Amino acid sequence: GENVEQHPSTLSVQEGDSAVIKCTYSDSASNYFPWYKQELGKRPQLIIDIRSNVGEKKDQRIAVTLNKTAKHFSLHITETQPEDSAVYFCAATTDTGRRALTFGSGTRLQVQP
Amino acid sequence: DAMVIQNPRYQVTQFGKPVTLSCSQTLNHNVMYWYQQKSSQAPKLLFHYYDKDFNNEADTPDNFQSRRPNTSFCFLDIRSPGLGDAAMYLCATSRGRGGQETQYFGPGTRLLVL
Repeated sequence: GENVEQHPSTLSVQEGDSAVIKCTYSDSASNYFPWYKQELGKRPQLIIDIRSNVGEKKDQRIAVTLNKTAKHFSLHITETQPEDSAVYFCAATTDTGRRALTFGSGTRLQVQP
Repeated sequence: DAMVIQNPRYQVTQFGKPVTLSCSQTLNHNVMYWYQQKSSQAPKLLFHYYDKDFNNEADTPDNFQSRRPNTSFCFLDIRSPGLGDAAMYLCATSRGRGGQETQYFGPGTRLLVL
């Protein structure tokens, strides 16, 4: 089955700096890669996603890149703000077989004011 | 407006006492999921319904069961909760399955087992 690895597990940056979180996946058939942000005690919220027919997607300060050949995708947050502090989860899924999200282990991002 | 609703938000039960958590959705989505999330870990899928078709994950303990009486509601039954079942339980929905569909999560029910 699918295996998703996420790095780093914790990341501390200064306000205004950029943050990058990386995930690798094992199933070459995976074709949908969402990123969820989860604040303490709250639900995971989708912040951005990318499908396998696209190499990069941007939404204001957030971007995701996908390298299908290397089977990895990354979340980029620019001009970080204290409210970006949260746990971020990547995930992957396919249109065949189990067709359920496989999550990475999460990255705790701390933005220092 | 709330789209995926979970009740209660906090549930306290005793060791071995059956407990039911509920989830409802106003999105008319075909798929409903139950996840277990322990502190600092990723959500772990327990099972999901695609319409009335129940799909159990291979490693979900028999202690966990689910019911979906209609499109809007889905229940998680824990028959004999153990201390290790204390966790956040998240319900999610999606229109379909797989690579074309976004999952939307409810606020979760935090279960405490005494």
